[in-house]
Amino acid sequence: DQQVKQNSPSLSVQEGRISILNCDYTNSMFDYFLWYKKYPAEGPTFLISISSIKDKNEDGRFTVFLNKSAKHLSLHIVPSQPGDSAVYFCAATDTDKLIFGTGTRLQVFP
Amino acid sequence: DAGITQSPRHKVTETGTPVTLRCHQTENHRYMYWYRQDPGHGLRLIHYSYGVKDTDKGEVSDGYSVSRSKTEDFLLTLESATSSQTSVYFCAISYRGTGELFFGEGSRLTVL
Repeated sequence: DQQVKQNSPSLSVQEGRISILNCDYTNSMFDYFLWYKKYPAEGPTFLISISSIKDKNEDGRFTVFLNKSAKHLSLHIVPSQPGDSAVYFCAATDTDKLIFGTGTRLQVFP
Repeated sequence: DAGITQSPRHKVTETGTPVTLRCHQTENHRYMYWYRQDPGHGLRLIHYSYGVKDTDKGEVSDGYSVSRSKTEDFLLTLESATSSQTSVYFCAISYRGTGELFFGEGSRLTVL
């Protein structure tokens, strides 16, 4: 059973606009959430994280929001740039391991 | 860049043959992980290690075994490869075991 879900397999956004990537989870015991970015033929790289005791974390163009009552988190990218085109994975910590979602492919077009 | 290297980076093998993938780190991190990436499934944890000779199963461990005889090396073995194990395999390391993982560049395995 998928504990971390990304229901949108793909997203297409115009350069300069906002990209919003969504993630839902089922386990209320997760205490830390992360977003990873992956380019083709490379390993995933860490992007941003948020503790379960917070509802927002911001790092430059990237902001992650956490809604614990809805078991939902989202990643906002503003403004979107062509270099942001990649697959984005959300993940949650379960004791000493990370559980990943299925990923959302973001394409930013000019 | 975190010092992680995976080998081989590409391998084609036949059904029923044994395969070993190696992950080597120079960071002296305690935790090491093996994930596989498949379309529609994202990244799924196969096995992980929280110290030398200390390993545990992940969500898709059937058909795989691991060994960690020293801090820097984590081996993933497919005793008898099957076509369903065709995938891209990623090794990752972590200092604390929670939060940020550093990933290798992946090993693409094709089982014919």
